[in-house]
Order: sequence, then structure tokens, then C-alpha cells
Amino acid sequence: DSGVTQTPKHLITATGQRVTLRCSPRSGDLSVYWYQQSLDQGLQFLIHYYNGEERAKGNILERFSAQQFPDLHSELNLSSLELGDSALYFCASSGPETDLETQYFGPGTRLLVL
Amino acid sequence: GESVGLHLPTLSVQEGDNSIINCAYSNSASDYFIWYKQESGKGPQFIIDIRSNMDKRQGQRVTVLLNKTVKHLSLQIAATQPGDSAVYFCAEGVFGNEKLTFGTGTRLTIIP
Repeated sequence: DSGVTQTPKHLITATGQRVTLRCSPRSGDLSVYWYQQSLDQGLQFLIHYYNGEERAKGNILERFSAQQFPDLHSELNLSSLELGDSALYFCASSGPETDLETQYFGPGTRLLVL
Repeated sequence: GESVGLHLPTLSVQEGDNSIINCAYSNSASDYFIWYKQESGKGPQFIIDIRSNMDKRQGQRVTVLLNKTVKHLSLQIAATQPGDSAVYFCAEGVFGNEKLTFGTGTRLTIIP
């Protein structure tokens, strides 16, 4: 158990809908990262938050957004969902420094868009 | 563009034997490397990391080797066990840039 929690574990929805994925980092960690893992593309970095502020963006679509709250939990919002958004979405957290540190992953949310 | 890749997508090893998983990276500025293990239905699990000022680091039954000259990273697992069956990812990063780039993964299967 990495100490990172994610909810829900599974999510089934329809095209055009909007969903919110939630992540709670390990106790004491200030950084939260979001990744998308699909069968054909592996782990793709989406976005990184540190202590409530956006630090870096990766291959995140404009239909996707995220935020980190004062209690350090984070939410990833996916809107206007398409079939191709079906994937595993992982959250990871790392320690109190802003520099590169080991990231610990949550169990993921499996999203299926029908 | 920059990429992190693996030489072998699948690897089958007899239980008790040693296994070596390889990874090539192309960003010469990368100075931090991590190996993750991902079991079916679970998130990636940190195994071991190494910074570019080292060429070898050992953990429990695992050793990571870094060859900066040829931009090659390897993960050695000693005395493999059935629980080692998983997909292994290498990831690279640059100190000061929090983004990690992951390879596509190698599936390791331990044969009983």
C-alpha cells in the first residue's frame, strides 16, 4: 500500500459526459501528479500540482482540468468524454520538496466510456 | 524527440534464475532514473532509483545499473520468484523538472 488513495476504483459513463476523479496523497506529500495509462500509449504524464499550485503540464487535453485543494487532495475533471478517454488514471504523490523525488502511485481509477 | 524505450517487450524467466530488464533513454540531460513494477490491476510500485552520479545501486534482490555513455539502464532481479511477474517500467527525469518520462514497459513472466 503506497498510502495514496484514489476514488472511485471503477467508473463507467457515456460519451459527452463529465466525471471527476479524486486523489489523496500520502501524508506529508505536497506534490500530486496525474497520469493516464492506456493500452497503446503506456503511462502519460498529465499534470503536476505542488501545494495547491500547478507546476507542470504534460499531454493534457483542454477538456481535462485538475486542481489541488488546501487539504492537498486533488481532483481530475474530464469533460466531453470520448471513447478514446477510456483508460486507467493514476495519481501519484511525492515529498515536500519541489525538486524531482520518487513518486508513489495510487491504485488508479479505471474509466470506461461507452 | 526524447524517448525512453525498452529493448524487450516480454521476458520469461525460470523461477530462481536471475532476470535482466533493459531500458534505453535518449535524453542526455536526464539525471534521475526510476524502476517501477506494475502488477495486474494495481498502480506502479517504486522499486529502486538511481541518480546520474552513480553507476550502480543495490536494493533487496534488485540492482540497477546505469551506463551514461550509451544511455542505458538495466534492472537486475536476483533469484526470481512468482511474485516478480509484472510489467516493469523505467522512467527518467531531470533534476529541477518534476516531470517523469516513462518507457513502454517490459512484461516479466516467471515460469514455475
